[in-house]
Amino acid sequence: SAVISQKPSRDICQRGTSLTIQCQVDSQVTMMFWYRQQPGQSLTLIATANQGSEATYESGFVIDKFPISRPNLTFSTLTVSNMSPEDSSIYLCSVLTGANQPQHFGDGTRLSIL
Amino acid sequence: QKEVEQNSGPLSVPEGAIASLNCTYSDRGSQSFFWYRQYSGKSPELIMSIYSNGDKEDGRFTAQLNKASQYVSLLIRDSQPSDSATYLCAVRGSQGNLIFGKGTKLSVKP
Repeated sequence: SAVISQKPSRDICQRGTSLTIQCQVDSQVTMMFWYRQQPGQSLTLIATANQGSEATYESGFVIDKFPISRPNLTFSTLTVSNMSPEDSSIYLCSVLTGANQPQHFGDGTRLSIL
Repeated sequence: QKEVEQNSGPLSVPEGAIASLNCTYSDRGSQSFFWYRQYSGKSPELIMSIYSNGDKEDGRFTAQLNKASQYVSLLIRDSQPSDSATYLCAVRGSQGNLIFGKGTKLSVKP
């Protein structure tokens, strides 16, 4: 399976600031996704990162709050903007290498906002 | 709204026993089903994938799928304390993404 590197692994941020999370894959992948896992909860899809075009956001998530880039088939970034304590979560990058393949996850970014 | 339901547990079994984890899903058209294991503080790790009705075995793990009943299960034989984790059932959505259940916390007692 693809090797997924996600940075940073954790961060503590001040309210009102923004943080960009990077996801690098060691091979070209079909699809890249960003998920959020709030404390004690399951995973919720934020958006699908589309190569060369705007990301597709799920209900409840907007581009102004979570801008996403995917400049090529191996790299994507998620920015969490104007952070508040409610944004304290684990953010996970996931990739799909083929239509009938399972998804694999990066190690996640553990984000705490003070 | 596609949904995946799991019993949140906690499910406690003694070491060496069979742990049975269950999951139901709402979209009858779903074709791809996955079980992930998540240790505390870690990201989800794929355990099993299943696409056809019936059983699929991999070592101590058996996934079972019944599309008519919209039911997926995971059996863990000879449970070990190292199997203690949260198990997430996931169904592939129409966009290729995964729709997750809330997870079942399994505790295997020595």
